[in-house]
Amino acid sequence: DAMVIQNPRYQVTQFGKPVTLSCSQTLNHNVMYWYQQKSSQAPKLLFHYYDKDFNNEADTPDNFQSRRPNTSFCFLDIRSPGLGDAAMYLCATSRRLAGGADTQYFGPGTRLTVL
Amino acid sequence: AQTVTQSQPEMSVQEAETVTLSCTYDTSENNYYLFWYKQPPSRQMILVIRQEAYKQQNATENRFSVNFQKAAKSFSLKISDSQLGDTAMYFCAHNMLTFGGGTRLMVKP
Repeated sequence: DAMVIQNPRYQVTQFGKPVTLSCSQTLNHNVMYWYQQKSSQAPKLLFHYYDKDFNNEADTPDNFQSRRPNTSFCFLDIRSPGLGDAAMYLCATSRRLAGGADTQYFGPGTRLTVL
Repeated sequence: AQTVTQSQPEMSVQEAETVTLSCTYDTSENNYYLFWYKQPPSRQMILVIRQEAYKQQNATENRFSVNFQKAAKSFSLKISDSQLGDTAMYFCAHNMLTFGGGTRLMVKP
């Protein structure tokens, strides 16, 4: 009964070749988050949506874009991946902004390799 | 800007014993949420426990409990009766926006 689904689980791309990662949820949560997590490091928030309101972190590179066409789906677009963008990308959801009192769920992540 | 600091990069504990993981944070907000997440080697992040800042009572979930000291901006996690399955990275987080650097916990048989 997966609640936050990320596709693909593993993605290999070439330096500079655009790539899109997807996240879907069956929880009907208002908020969806994208994090970048490099090996042995903490997840770093890239951006989040509260409904259709997009919130970009100040230090998220312009190379990273996101789309949320509806409540269930959210996409992470990396326009020109560099070697430094190789990481695990985690999607998460919550009913309220900043987590609130409701349970938060993380997806299993997409591991991105850049050749 | 909020910051979250976990001062113990690695810890180990014998099975069945108790261990406490430290977390301090900095925020200008008066109301917020704090979380402890567990990330086992499979890497699926799982919520362990949450604390609402306006609640004075420390949160408890079975073997997991927190010591929340709002004035000191401290939020430690206590794991009682440690089990081998508790081996994982543990992250402290402020709201869902800022994570600490993590503590790698190893439970030894």
